[in-house]
Amino acid sequence: QSALTQPPSASGSPGQSVTISCTGTSSDVGGYNYVSWYQQHPGKAPTLMIYEVAKRPSGVPDRFSGSKSGNTASLTVSGLQTEDDADYYCSSYAGGSVAFGGGTKLTVL
Amino acid sequence: QVQLQESGPGLVKPSETLSLTCTVSGYSISSGHYWGWIRQPPGKGLQWIGNIYHSGSTFYNPSLKSRVTLSVDTSKNQFSLTVRSVTAADTAVYYCVRDHQQLLPDYWGQGTLVTVSS
Repeated sequence: QSALTQPPSASGSPGQSVTISCTGTSSDVGGYNYVSWYQQHPGKAPTLMIYEVAKRPSGVPDRFSGSKSGNTASLTVSGLQTEDDADYYCSSYAGGSVAFGGGTKLTVL
Repeated sequence: QVQLQESGPGLVKPSETLSLTCTVSGYSISSGHYWGWIRQPPGKGLQWIGNIYHSGSTFYNPSLKSRVTLSVDTSKNQFSLTVRSVTAADTAVYYCVRDHQQLLPDYWGQGTLVTVSS
């Protein structure tokens, strides 16, 4: 399975909004409504932030939102806070396998 | 609260076999969900390895399938990963996970670093 494409970096100031894209193909992102986003702080395991494109697990702030258009999924973080400074990974079901994006380093300036 | 804990050697010699076990607490593997492994080489991104159901049904990353075997022991509430003929490229933090839906994980173990070196 192919990796999903994410920008290597993104940044924003506290209070601003930032959107991270995740581009795949019709065999993964575009073909299924099963896209998840994970946040990973240094030295820690990833944590689930968004599942099924736009759903938030309990405990995840509503500042985090997800969407999808065609073969591209997006994660938007609104009202940036310093604790949002982390790596973010998208993943998609790909018909019997799982594809991950290469990760985006979000810097809160 | 579902908890997963990886265990196994932190150092494996090249050409040998890497074996890890994940012990699950707070949830019975036999109750459902797929259980899997994801790895992350130092400083790099995440790579899906594979998933297994309590029945033994498996899904594998095609790029690793020839060297990887997943197994499950429901009596111990554990599942395991075996990677044969390892090289330095298999050096990574290995995470065990529970899938939420369609093999995508929700719960993660803390991860264990496995280094392949002589």
